Amino acid sequence: DQQVKQNSPSLSVQEGRISILNCDYTNSMFDYFLWYKKYPAEGPTFLISISSIKDKNEDGRFTVFLNKSAKHLSLHIVPSQPGDSAVYFCAGTSGTYKYIFGTGTRLKVLA
Amino acid sequence: EAGVAQSPRYKIIEKRQSVAFWCNPISGHATLYWYQQILGQGPKLLIQFQNNGVVDDSQLPKDRFSAERLKGVDSTLKIQPAKLEDSAVYLCASSLEVLNTQYFGPGTRLTVL
Repeated sequence: DQQVKQNSPSLSVQEGRISILNCDYTNSMFDYFLWYKKYPAEGPTFLISISSIKDKNEDGRFTVFLNKSAKHLSLHIVPSQPGDSAVYFCAGTSGTYKYIFGTGTRLKVLA
Repeated sequence: EAGVAQSPRYKIIEKRQSVAFWCNPISGHATLYWYQQILGQGPKLLIQFQNNGVVDDSQLPKDRFSAERLKGVDSTLKIQPAKLEDSAVYLCASSLEVLNTQYFGPGTRLTVL
């Protein structure tokens, strides 16, 4: 049972434009969500998180939106830069240590 | 601040052989995690330690996988005997405490032939 789904395996965006990465979840007990970025041959690095008591969290060029009724979250990157090219994973947790990760979306930002 | 260290970075073995991976977490981090990431999938938690005690090993295939965290710092994950389906990247992560952000190491890529 895939509790966290990232249905777009890849995404290409022009430099300077907005990148929107989507994530859906099925577990209604999830109350905290995270996005990780992963470069080749490196481990995932934490990017941004959001608690279920919020519907938006911003950190510089990165904004995460949470729609609890739709069980959907999205990561917006504005403006996109070539250095943002990586695989992005979303993860959910139900107030415990256990992160459930999605399968990832490979973002390519074209110069 | 040094990050999570893992070794080796790459390992190729034949099926039925044994292999061990080592992880050194960020200094002061009480919680340590081992994940398995199969190609095309997200990381899956295998085992979590709080200091030197096991908190969750529900997804660890205990007939062939074992892990220990002696003295509550470094950790070792062992596979014996390895199967073809164990080919994956094994990621170690640590966090200050259980509910804090997890920081990942670079991983060990295991290929079982």
